[in-house]
Amino acid sequence: AQSVTQLDSHVSVSEGTPVLLRCNYSSSYSPSLFWYVQHPNKGLQLLLKYTSAATLVKGINGFEAEFKKSETSFHLTKPSAHMSDAAEYFCVVTSNQAGTALIFGKGTTLSVSS
Amino acid sequence: GAVVSQHPSRVICKSGTSVKIECRSLDFQATTMFWYRQFPKQSLMLMATSNEGSKATYEQGVEKDKFLINHASLTLSTLTVTSAHPEDSSFYICSARDLAGVRETQYFGPGTRLLVL
Repeated sequence: AQSVTQLDSHVSVSEGTPVLLRCNYSSSYSPSLFWYVQHPNKGLQLLLKYTSAATLVKGINGFEAEFKKSETSFHLTKPSAHMSDAAEYFCVVTSNQAGTALIFGKGTTLSVSS
Repeated sequence: GAVVSQHPSRVICKSGTSVKIECRSLDFQATTMFWYRQFPKQSLMLMATSNEGSKATYEQGVEKDKFLINHASLTLSTLTVTSAHPEDSSFYICSARDLAGVRETQYFGPGTRLLVL
C-alpha cells in the first residue's frame, strides 16, 4: 500500500537560513510524489512534483526536492527561508498507478522567525 | 493556472439540517473531482472520488448516504452533508483533475468550513 511519512510535525527556522522538510514514502511501484503548501485560510498550492523524470525537482518560490529511491525519501529544501514561507506543508503520493487519487502525509508546520 | 472554487467558504447550520457545498473548475474541464475532509491540525483524508455522469466512489468508512455527491457536469461537483451533526463539523476541500493536463496533477479549492451546532 502507498503511504507517506512526514518525519517532523513542526520545523522552526530563522529567516535567511535553509529549510529542510523531511518525507519518506512507501510504494509498491514507481510513485508520483508531490509537495503541497497550505497557507491559513487559503487553498492548497502545488509546490512541485516528481513523476519519474529528473530526480531533482525544482518548484515554485525557490523550493526543490530530490527523489531518492534507495532511501525512499523526497525531502523538500530551500536555501534561504522567507517569512512568507511560514505555512503547512504536505508530502503527497499517488494512491495507485493510474494516479487517480492522492494520499497526504500528516503535514509539517513551518515557522519562520525574524 | 487552473482555478477551482468552492461555495460557500464557511457555513454554520443547526444539527439535523442538510448542507450543500459546490466545487467548480473555473477554467478547465474536470471529469474527475475529489472530496477531502480535514480536521484541525490534521491531514487531508480522501472521502470520495466524483466522476462526471456516474456514481461517486467512496473510501472505506465514508457513509455514501450521509455524504451525497453529484457530478452533473464537467465543471461542477456538489457534496451534500445530510442531517448534519456536530461531529460532521470539519473543513471540506475539493480538488479537480484537468482533463487536458497531466493526469497526476490535482487543483484544489480553497475549502469550506462547516460548523454544525
